[in-house]
Amino acid sequence: QLQLQESGPGLVRPSATLSLTCTVSSGSITSSTSFWGWIRQPPGKGLEWIASIYYSGATYYNPSLRRRVSISVDRTKNQFSLKLSSVTAADTATYYCASPGAAADAFDVWGQGTLVTVSS
Amino acid sequence: QSALTQPASVSGSPGQSITIPCTGTNDDIGYNNYVSWYQQHPPKAPKLMIYDVNNRPSGVSSRFSGSKSGRTASLTISGLQAEDEADYYCIAFTSSTTWVFGGGTKLTVL
Repeated sequence: QLQLQESGPGLVRPSATLSLTCTVSSGSITSSTSFWGWIRQPPGKGLEWIASIYYSGATYYNPSLRRRVSISVDRTKNQFSLKLSSVTAADTATYYCASPGAAADAFDVWGQGTLVTVSS
Repeated sequence: QSALTQPASVSGSPGQSITIPCTGTNDDIGYNNYVSWYQQHPPKAPKLMIYDVNNRPSGVSSRFSGSKSGRTASLTISGLQAEDEADYYCIAFTSSTTWVFGGGTKLTVL
């Protein structure tokens, strides 16, 4: 069964770049049926989709974050990554990586989430 | 893109049925049938309950069902149980090849 695990620093300084990695296990990141995504949730608030990358390499971003965000895949490591630049306190959130599993058109499999705090 | 509209809270008694609406536009909910629903018991990760409007993943109770009419999708939970108390989110795929979530609904089982 596909499993995802986020990793990265829990504390990022304001104006710096947040970098997170999602490691895929029990499955291949090169699966032709897959897309991969990042979703975040500020403390006490709702979910926000950040970005997705497809098997084809196509990338799609939340318009409100487009200028600051980048998603990529490392097939050799079976990982995909998120970079968010020029972070502020408003970017403090639990960040989840997610992907379709048995449900081909939905975020069926989620990582446990990692809390990233933006603070000096 | 604007978030889909959900009520902030709903409540019901054990055994009752409740429905959570999720309203969008012709560019998201009205665009296709890629509408999903998630249950979240904070601080856990969200769990997929319904996908493609009305499909249940394996292992999800048949008490959960989904539907869509025009620009509004709905999640119905029948035979409410205490364990159903959680936050619920809808999400839809948009005409811009992006995803948009609803603001979330807190379900209280009285």
